[in-house]
Amino acid sequence: SQQGEEDPQALSIQEGENATMNCSYKTSINNLQWYRQNSGRGLVHLILIRSNEREKHSGRLRVTLDTSKKSSSLLITASRAADTASYFCATDTGGGNKLTFGTGTQLKVEL
Amino acid sequence: DTGVSQDPRHKITKRGQNVTFRCDPISEHNRLYWYRQTLGQGPEFLTYFQNEAQLEKSRLLSDRFSAERPKGSFSTLEIQRTEQGDSAMYLCASSFPGREGKMNTEAFFGQGTRLTVV
Repeated sequence: SQQGEEDPQALSIQEGENATMNCSYKTSINNLQWYRQNSGRGLVHLILIRSNEREKHSGRLRVTLDTSKKSSSLLITASRAADTASYFCATDTGGGNKLTFGTGTQLKVEL
Repeated sequence: DTGVSQDPRHKITKRGQNVTFRCDPISEHNRLYWYRQTLGQGPEFLTYFQNEAQLEKSRLLSDRFSAERPKGSFSTLEIQRTEQGDSAMYLCASSFPGREGKMNTEAFFGQGTRLTVV
């Protein structure tokens, strides 16, 4: 079963704009991770945020985590056409390190 | 070693046939995971190994599914008597535990094996 849900399910923006995706989850976590998946391909790890962290940056990515609300957001600044992909949040609840993924946000960045 | 490798990339099989997939993790990673992903959904956990020991199996893994990692390196996932509902992308991932022994490290995914049961 899916632990989390991403919002929105689909997002279409113009190149140069910022994209924000949200993720909600249900149970306590050790960490939350964001992954990108290009169509029909494997997943690429973007960023990991631990449960005791509130914000993390990596290049054009900014992730926030609010454990009281059981939610996280991923911000991609100055988006590029190459950012077009599906984005998934995944939670590690500490039970053997398996990840529980959300349903994903399909991002389309248009020129 | 350029990453997690899965073979084959695509497999079309007739219902009722057995199929086997292989995953070669990143060499220094002692944890290996199998996930299944259907169209429009996120990956769902199937099972994971630490070295050669299979430590957890999801309820999604019916009796027709078996996974092995005999020498703690590569892993195989076999599906017996395939059904149309088995059609999915099967993803393998590997990781190395963090200092605390828990997974505060990323998982590296392979490109997946897309199974189509006709």
